[in-house]
Amino acid sequence: DAEITQSPRHKITETGRQVTLACHQTWNHNNMFWYRQDLGHGLRLIHYSYGVQDTNKGEVSDGYSVSRSNTEDLPLTLESAASSQTSVYFCASSTTAGELFFGEGSRLTVL
Amino acid sequence: AQTVTQSQPEMSVQEAETVTLSCTYDTSESDYYLFWYKQPPSRQMILVIRQEAYKQQNATENRFSVNFQKAAKSFSLKISDSQLGDAAMYFCAYRGEFITSGTYKYIFGTGTRLKVLA
Repeated sequence: DAEITQSPRHKITETGRQVTLACHQTWNHNNMFWYRQDLGHGLRLIHYSYGVQDTNKGEVSDGYSVSRSNTEDLPLTLESAASSQTSVYFCASSTTAGELFFGEGSRLTVL
Repeated sequence: AQTVTQSQPEMSVQEAETVTLSCTYDTSESDYYLFWYKQPPSRQMILVIRQEAYKQQNATENRFSVNFQKAAKSFSLKISDSQLGDAAMYFCAYRGEFITSGTYKYIFGTGTRLKVLA
């Protein structure tokens, strides 16, 4: 079955370190998204991509970057992790007209 | 800009009873989609139901149904015959605003935590 996987599922890091969260989907979806989930805020869009070599900023993109070198992967990088980036991160993908399919989430703690 | 509001941070329902979760949204668009997602303790986001704005008929999926009031910009979720497995966080989401070629913007509410009492 097609799926979307995230790794790692849990990560603890220190302030100032670079962190990369991986996202891999096997649906061959063009659209991929990264969200963060925080209590009281729901899901907020960090970055999105609608195809290879395309990346765009979402509403909370500061301190994050993504790259899209192939259809399947959209890694999220925190250049210099901050305590404010402690959160649960979700990757999602979709077809042009379809609903979002989510990964299982990655819990990141920045100490 | 579009917004999605879930005014009930937490709800409780007795097992086998019916509960309704509220969602309102604001938009100037006429063509859009609305969704309810369920997030159980496993954290997995699961699509529960979707509604196309151009359809007047309310969507139904087994025990889950919606009351879509387009003029009032309201999209509530009704869960009938509640089961212990329905306990989760429920998110209302709006899909609209064609932001670039082939991509739409999704906006999520802050969620409602549903507790099911045995």
